[in-house]
Amino acid sequence: EPEVTQTPSHQVTQMGQEVILRCVPISNHLYFYWYRQILGQKVEFLVSFYNNEISEKSEIFDDQFSVERPDGSNFTLKIRSTKLEDSAMYFCASRPDRVSEKLFFGSGTQLSVL
Amino acid sequence: SQQGEEDPQALSIQEGENATMNCSYKTSINNLQWYRQNSGRGLVHLILIRSNEREKHSGRLRVTLDTSKKSSSLLITASRAADTASYFCATEKKTSGSRLTFGEGTQLTVNP
Repeated sequence: EPEVTQTPSHQVTQMGQEVILRCVPISNHLYFYWYRQILGQKVEFLVSFYNNEISEKSEIFDDQFSVERPDGSNFTLKIRSTKLEDSAMYFCASRPDRVSEKLFFGSGTQLSVL
Repeated sequence: SQQGEEDPQALSIQEGENATMNCSYKTSINNLQWYRQNSGRGLVHLILIRSNEREKHSGRLRVTLDTSKKSSSLLITASRAADTASYFCATEKKTSGSRLTFGEGTQLTVNP
């Protein structure tokens, strides 16, 4: 079965450094998402992306965050200057179209900011 | 209460028993979905129920939705040790586009 893949599975960085989290959504999907889960807390929506632009973003997704679909297959989340509170599991998700409500999630990237 | 609150927070049962998890939400929704998360892993979609539906079944899963009470329940029948995981409800609000709002989750432990 097709799946969303995320790399790396773990990322350790120093506070203030830039990180790029990578995702390869399922190939025929058109809608892409980033969510995050701080340890012990609920999964939180960050941003949705469709037709090469952000369609919706949460209050968490401030100017430090950006997303990009650089080559038609990868979908990246960049954090420009990481903070300690950015430490979380980041999940990429995709779905084929607006009608199909089910999201397909990747297995996540655990980001640790030291 | 917050959008998408589950109860109980933790549930421990014996294999073969049924497990019931509840979810409450606050706003009008298009649909409500249940996801499962094994420890340290991604979320796996289990079942979806739309706002005009009251009950759905999928294998050993049964989900109900009461829009008047803004609540849903997930029943797992004849539980197995492999069902041990965290279970989250997630709502797609009518005004939110396609974003999902997740609840706090229920940690289910099925003892062999």
